[in-house]
Amino acid sequence: AQSVTQLDSHVSVSEGTPVLLRCNYSSSYSPSLFWYVQHPNKGLQLLLKYTSAATLVKGINGFEAEFKKSETSFHLTKPSAHMSDAAEYFCVVSVTTDSWGKLQFGAGTQVVVTP
Amino acid sequence: GAGVSQSPRYKVAKRGQDVALRCDPISGHVSLFWYQQALGQGPEFLTYFQNEAQLDKSGLPSDRFFAERPEGSVSTLKIQRTQQEDSAVYLCASRPQNSYNSPLHFGNGTRLTVT
Repeated sequence: AQSVTQLDSHVSVSEGTPVLLRCNYSSSYSPSLFWYVQHPNKGLQLLLKYTSAATLVKGINGFEAEFKKSETSFHLTKPSAHMSDAAEYFCVVSVTTDSWGKLQFGAGTQVVVTP
Repeated sequence: GAGVSQSPRYKVAKRGQDVALRCDPISGHVSLFWYQQALGQGPEFLTYFQNEAQLDKSGLPSDRFFAERPEGSVSTLKIQRTQQEDSAVYLCASRPQNSYNSPLHFGNGTRLTVT
């Protein structure tokens, strides 16, 4: 079975400092991995996706993630946090045991950005 | 419209009432998913449609939950005899093809509160 584990339920950073959100995955196959962001009362927005091309994936709003097979990790980073980055972030794996790839979400990481 | 549209945005139901939640996917999108997101949790898969065919309903929590997509576009999620544990945000998502590499486009959700 495929799953993801987000290692931090809450992360607090100061504006202008780096952000690191940690995610480990479990998969018997080469996984398709995603990061989504959810702002309050808004829908989920795709930040970036990994689908077995480059291991360093760049996304929107300055975010990037690195796929490390040896560590089964897909951590999300941003060099400098902005106040607008305050949101809930979800690491997601696409379940490939069926042909339609339903998404399996992590529990989420709440990011707080302080001035 | 440009995105996935869900209505109503908010729904309050008394315990025992039936509710119907509507999803308008992006035009032409083949795949449609419903997810349930409880407070403080990541979204959980409910059901999947490919065009009008419901190919996976393994996530529906009970036989009180029913979903349809009769013409392969608009979908309705119906919950009969609502219970307090049904309180959650119900998310609809679509994508243009049946591929687990392709990210989902989410609507803003319907927040259901059962009193």
